[in-house]
Amino acid sequence: DVKVTQSSRYLVKRTGEKVFLECVQDMDHENMFWYRQDPGLGLRLIYFSYDVKMKEKGDIPEGYSVSREKKERFSLILESASTNQTSMYLCASSWTETQYFGPGTRLLVL
Amino acid sequence: RKEVEQDPGPFNVPEGATVAFNCTYSNSASQSFFWYRQDCRKEPKLLMSVYSSGNEDGRFTAQLNRASQYISLLIRDSKLSDSATYLCVVTRDNYGQNFVFGPGTRLSVLP
Repeated sequence: DVKVTQSSRYLVKRTGEKVFLECVQDMDHENMFWYRQDPGLGLRLIYFSYDVKMKEKGDIPEGYSVSREKKERFSLILESASTNQTSMYLCASSWTETQYFGPGTRLLVL
Repeated sequence: RKEVEQDPGPFNVPEGATVAFNCTYSNSASQSFFWYRQDCRKEPKLLMSVYSSGNEDGRFTAQLNRASQYISLLIRDSKLSDSATYLCVVTRDNYGQNFVFGPGTRLSVLP
């Protein structure tokens, strides 16, 4: 079974803090994704990566950056957290067209 | 206009009912189409891919109409365990790795 894990299920941070969200997959997938999910807006793509050290902006990259130093790990970085980044963050990986999601990190920025 | 639109829901149906979900997409370059299921407070999981010829998996049938840019999901003989949010997903380009999710339609199957 494909396993995608995220470093935290719940996270509380203060405005202005630098926040790291980690995602690890164990199936040697080439592609990895970060989404945020908000009520009424669905899942929106922040960044994706199709190879180590490669990254592509998604629909809402502003305020975020990513890092992929190893194939199995894709990190999302909030450089200076703001209250409008309070959301559910979902990581996914894929090899073919099927995406496998992690359990999500619910981030609250105060 | 949103790239992927779905029935707003929620749908509340009795056990055993047949329910249909509709989805439209605006990008004619979309190549691949899917239905995902998301249980409350869980991550989305692939329910089924959608092919031009239509496809069926047990009680679930998916249809695609490329000319109308329309996708449907039919659930027959609904079970309590079918209660979830159903997400329509399309790829944005020919490479098939840039996915766009619809907002989802919530289904509650009632005893």
